[in-house]
Amino acid sequence: SQTIHQWPATLVQPVGSPLSLECTVEGTSNPNLYWYRQAAGRGLQLLFYSVGIGQISSEVPQNLSASRPQDRQFILSSKKLLLSDSGFYLCAWSKTGGTSYEQYFGPGTRLTVT
Amino acid sequence: RKEVEQDPGPFNVPEGATVAFNCTYSNSASQSFFWYRQDCRKEPKLLMSVYSSGNEDGRFTAQLNRASQYISLLIRDSKLSDSATYLCVVNRRANDYKLSFGAGTTVTVRA
Repeated sequence: SQTIHQWPATLVQPVGSPLSLECTVEGTSNPNLYWYRQAAGRGLQLLFYSVGIGQISSEVPQNLSASRPQDRQFILSSKKLLLSDSGFYLCAWSKTGGTSYEQYFGPGTRLTVT
Repeated sequence: RKEVEQDPGPFNVPEGATVAFNCTYSNSASQSFFWYRQDCRKEPKLLMSVYSSGNEDGRFTAQLNRASQYISLLIRDSKLSDSATYLCVVNRRANDYKLSFGAGTTVTVRA
Protein backbone atom coordinates (compact mmCIF):
# COMPACT_ATOMS: atom_id res chain seq x y z
CA SER A 1 0.00 0.00 0.00
CA GLN A 2 1.03 3.59 -0.50
CA THR A 3 2.11 5.88 2.31
CA ILE A 4 3.14 9.51 2.36
CA HIS A 5 5.40 11.10 4.92
CA GLN A 6 5.97 14.72 5.80
CA TRP A 7 8.30 16.34 8.28
CA PRO A 8 8.56 18.15 10.49
CA ALA A 9 5.07 17.98 11.99
CA THR A 10 5.32 21.45 13.52
CA LEU A 11 7.74 24.29 13.01
CA VAL A 12 8.18 27.74 14.53
CA GLN A 13 10.49 29.99 12.55
CA PRO A 14 11.38 33.69 12.77
CA VAL A 15 10.63 36.10 9.94
CA GLY A 16 13.47 36.12 7.43
CA SER A 17 14.69 32.62 8.18
CA PRO A 18 14.89 29.88 5.52
CA LEU A 19 12.46 26.98 5.21
CA SER A 20 12.70 23.42 3.99
CA LEU A 21 9.79 20.98 4.21
CA GLU A 22 10.12 17.46 2.89
CA CYS A 23 7.61 14.96 1.59
CA THR A 24 8.22 11.39 0.48
CA VAL A 25 5.87 8.80 -0.97
CA GLU A 26 6.24 5.03 -0.71
CA GLY A 27 4.58 2.22 -2.59
CA THR A 28 4.00 3.89 -5.93
CA SER A 29 6.05 5.04 -8.90
CA ASN A 30 5.95 8.28 -10.85
CA PRO A 31 3.19 9.88 -8.82
CA ASN A 32 1.89 13.39 -9.38
CA LEU A 33 2.92 15.42 -6.34
CA TYR A 34 1.36 18.55 -4.86
CA TRP A 35 2.04 21.16 -2.19
CA TYR A 36 -0.94 22.92 -0.62
CA ARG A 37 -1.32 25.53 2.07
CA GLN A 38 -4.37 25.83 4.29
CA ALA A 39 -4.87 29.02 6.26
CA ALA A 40 -7.15 28.93 9.30
CA GLY A 41 -10.79 28.58 8.23
CA ARG A 42 -9.89 28.60 4.56
CA GLY A 43 -9.85 26.07 1.75
CA LEU A 44 -6.73 24.40 0.45
CA GLN A 45 -4.63 26.55 -1.86
CA LEU A 46 -2.53 24.70 -4.42
CA LEU A 47 1.02 26.06 -4.37
CA PHE A 48 3.00 23.71 -6.63
CA TYR A 49 2.51 20.50 -8.53
CA SER A 50 4.87 18.12 -10.26
CA VAL A 51 4.31 15.42 -12.87
CA GLY A 52 7.90 14.14 -12.82
CA ILE A 53 11.46 14.60 -11.59
CA GLY A 54 12.56 18.19 -12.05
CA GLN A 55 9.15 19.22 -13.43
CA ILE A 56 7.58 21.85 -11.20
CA SER A 57 4.63 24.12 -11.94
CA SER A 58 3.78 27.05 -9.70
CA GLU A 59 0.21 28.05 -9.09
CA VAL A 60 0.68 31.18 -7.01
CA PRO A 61 3.66 33.55 -7.27
CA GLN A 62 5.21 34.03 -3.86
CA ASN A 63 8.47 33.63 -2.00
CA LEU A 64 8.22 29.85 -1.92
CA SER A 65 9.79 27.35 -4.31
CA ALA A 66 9.56 23.60 -4.80
CA SER A 67 11.87 20.92 -6.08
CA ARG A 68 11.58 17.24 -6.94
CA PRO A 69 15.06 15.76 -6.82
CA GLN A 70 13.81 12.15 -6.86
CA ASP A 71 10.70 10.43 -8.17
CA ARG A 72 9.01 10.18 -4.79
CA GLN A 73 10.50 13.19 -3.01
CA PHE A 74 9.05 16.68 -3.02
CA ILE A 75 10.57 19.63 -1.18
CA LEU A 76 9.10 23.03 -0.38
CA SER A 77 11.55 25.82 0.34
CA SER A 78 11.87 29.49 1.08
CA LYS A 79 14.93 31.66 1.40
CA LYS A 80 13.24 34.21 3.68
CA LEU A 81 9.98 33.54 5.47
CA LEU A 82 7.24 36.15 5.80
CA LEU A 83 4.60 36.34 8.52
CA SER A 84 2.02 35.53 5.84
CA ASP A 85 3.72 32.17 5.21
CA SER A 86 2.22 30.79 8.43
CA GLY A 87 -0.22 27.97 7.81
CA PHE A 88 -0.78 24.25 7.49
CA TYR A 89 1.30 22.82 4.64
CA LEU A 90 0.10 19.62 3.06
CA CYS A 91 1.79 17.38 0.55
CA ALA A 92 -0.36 15.09 -1.59
CA TRP A 93 0.08 12.51 -4.32
CA SER A 94 -2.10 11.09 -7.06
CA LYS A 95 -1.74 8.41 -9.68
CA THR A 96 -0.66 9.38 -13.16
CA GLY A 97 -2.64 8.42 -16.22
CA GLY A 98 -6.08 6.88 -16.24
CA THR A 99 -9.20 8.66 -15.08
CA SER A 100 -8.69 8.46 -11.33
CA TYR A 101 -7.96 11.88 -9.86
CA GLU A 102 -8.15 11.21 -6.14
CA GLN A 103 -5.39 12.80 -4.11
CA TYR A 104 -3.98 11.42 -0.88
CA PHE A 105 -2.50 13.67 1.74
CA GLY A 106 0.39 13.48 4.13
CA PRO A 107 -0.04 14.42 7.79
CA GLY A 108 1.01 18.03 7.15
CA THR A 109 3.40 20.55 8.69
CA ARG A 110 2.01 23.32 10.85
CA LEU A 111 4.26 26.36 10.33
CA THR A 112 4.19 29.43 12.53
CA VAL A 113 6.30 32.37 11.46
CA THR A 114 7.00 34.75 14.35
CA ARG B 1 -16.90 33.54 -7.97
CA LYS B 2 -15.26 30.71 -6.02
CA GLU B 3 -14.75 27.46 -7.90
CA VAL B 4 -16.37 25.47 -5.11
CA GLU B 5 -18.75 26.96 -2.55
CA GLN B 6 -20.00 25.33 0.61
CA ASP B 7 -22.19 26.37 3.51
CA PRO B 8 -19.65 26.53 6.35
CA GLY B 9 -22.25 25.46 8.94
CA PRO B 10 -21.86 24.39 11.63
CA PHE B 11 -24.54 21.74 11.47
CA ASN B 12 -25.20 20.63 15.03
CA VAL B 13 -27.16 17.38 15.14
CA PRO B 14 -27.98 14.77 17.81
CA GLU B 15 -26.70 11.25 17.53
CA GLY B 16 -28.85 9.16 15.25
CA ALA B 17 -30.08 12.10 13.21
CA THR B 18 -29.74 12.55 9.47
CA VAL B 19 -27.80 15.52 8.17
CA ALA B 20 -27.42 16.67 4.59
CA PHE B 21 -25.59 19.49 2.91
CA ASN B 22 -24.62 20.62 -0.56
CA CYS B 23 -21.88 22.33 -2.43
CA THR B 24 -21.93 24.12 -5.77
CA TYR B 25 -19.18 24.24 -8.35
CA SER B 26 -18.69 26.84 -11.05
CA ASN B 27 -16.99 24.98 -13.90
CA SER B 28 -19.38 22.91 -15.98
CA ALA B 29 -16.38 21.08 -17.47
CA SER B 30 -15.51 19.44 -14.14
CA GLN B 31 -15.98 15.71 -14.32
CA SER B 32 -14.54 14.25 -11.12
CA PHE B 33 -16.13 14.91 -7.75
CA PHE B 34 -15.22 13.90 -4.24
CA TRP B 35 -16.05 14.36 -0.60
CA TYR B 36 -13.13 14.52 1.83
CA ARG B 37 -13.29 14.53 5.58
CA GLN B 38 -10.95 16.66 7.67
CA ASP B 39 -10.66 16.35 11.42
CA CYS B 40 -9.41 19.27 13.47
CA ARG B 41 -5.73 19.98 12.76
CA LYS B 42 -5.41 16.87 10.61
CA GLU B 43 -5.00 16.20 6.91
CA PRO B 44 -8.01 15.72 4.61
CA LYS B 45 -8.93 12.11 3.96
CA LEU B 46 -10.92 10.83 1.01
CA LEU B 47 -14.42 9.91 2.13
CA MET B 48 -15.92 8.96 -1.19
CA SER B 49 -15.93 9.69 -4.88
CA VAL B 50 -19.19 10.94 -6.34
CA TYR B 51 -20.54 9.28 -9.45
CA SER B 52 -23.15 10.54 -11.88
CA SER B 53 -25.64 7.91 -10.80
CA GLY B 54 -25.14 8.69 -7.13
CA ASN B 55 -23.48 6.33 -4.74
CA GLU B 56 -23.75 5.06 -1.23
CA ASP B 57 -21.12 3.89 1.23
CA GLY B 58 -22.67 2.62 4.42
CA ARG B 59 -24.39 5.55 6.12
CA PHE B 60 -23.10 8.05 3.57
CA THR B 61 -24.89 8.89 0.32
CA ALA B 62 -23.55 11.26 -2.32
CA GLN B 63 -25.50 12.72 -5.20
CA LEU B 64 -24.39 14.72 -8.22
CA ASN B 65 -26.62 17.12 -10.14
CA ARG B 66 -24.74 18.20 -13.26
CA ALA B 67 -27.53 20.40 -14.59
CA SER B 68 -27.53 22.54 -11.47
CA GLN B 69 -23.85 21.96 -10.72
CA TYR B 70 -24.18 20.83 -7.17
CA ILE B 71 -23.09 17.85 -5.11
CA SER B 72 -24.74 16.65 -1.94
CA LEU B 73 -23.73 14.49 0.98
CA LEU B 74 -26.18 12.83 3.33
CA ILE B 75 -25.18 11.14 6.56
CA ARG B 76 -27.72 8.80 8.16
CA ASP B 77 -27.75 7.63 11.76
CA SER B 78 -25.06 10.15 12.74
CA LYS B 79 -22.34 9.01 15.12
CA LEU B 80 -20.22 11.15 17.42
CA SER B 81 -17.26 10.12 15.27
CA ASP B 82 -18.84 11.80 12.24
CA SER B 83 -18.02 15.20 13.76
CA ALA B 84 -15.61 16.75 11.28
CA THR B 85 -15.33 19.23 8.44
CA TYR B 86 -16.45 17.86 5.09
CA LEU B 87 -14.69 19.21 2.02
CA CYS B 88 -16.32 19.24 -1.40
CA VAL B 89 -13.72 18.71 -4.13
CA VAL B 90 -13.92 18.85 -7.93
CA ASN B 91 -11.37 18.66 -10.66
CA ARG B 92 -10.88 21.95 -12.46
CA ARG B 93 -11.83 20.73 -15.91
CA ALA B 94 -12.18 17.54 -17.86
CA ASN B 95 -9.14 15.25 -17.59
CA ASP B 96 -7.42 17.65 -15.19
CA TYR B 97 -5.64 16.16 -12.21
CA LYS B 98 -5.65 19.49 -10.37
CA LEU B 99 -8.44 19.73 -7.82
CA SER B 100 -10.36 22.65 -6.36
CA PHE B 101 -11.36 22.40 -2.70
CA GLY B 102 -14.26 24.02 -0.95
CA ALA B 103 -13.62 25.62 2.43
CA GLY B 104 -15.67 22.90 4.11
CA THR B 105 -18.90 22.29 6.01
CA THR B 106 -18.51 21.62 9.72
CA VAL B 107 -20.69 18.95 11.29
CA THR B 108 -20.91 18.46 15.03
CA VAL B 109 -22.77 15.43 16.35
CA ARG B 110 -23.78 15.70 20.00
CA ALA B 111 -24.67 12.93 22.43
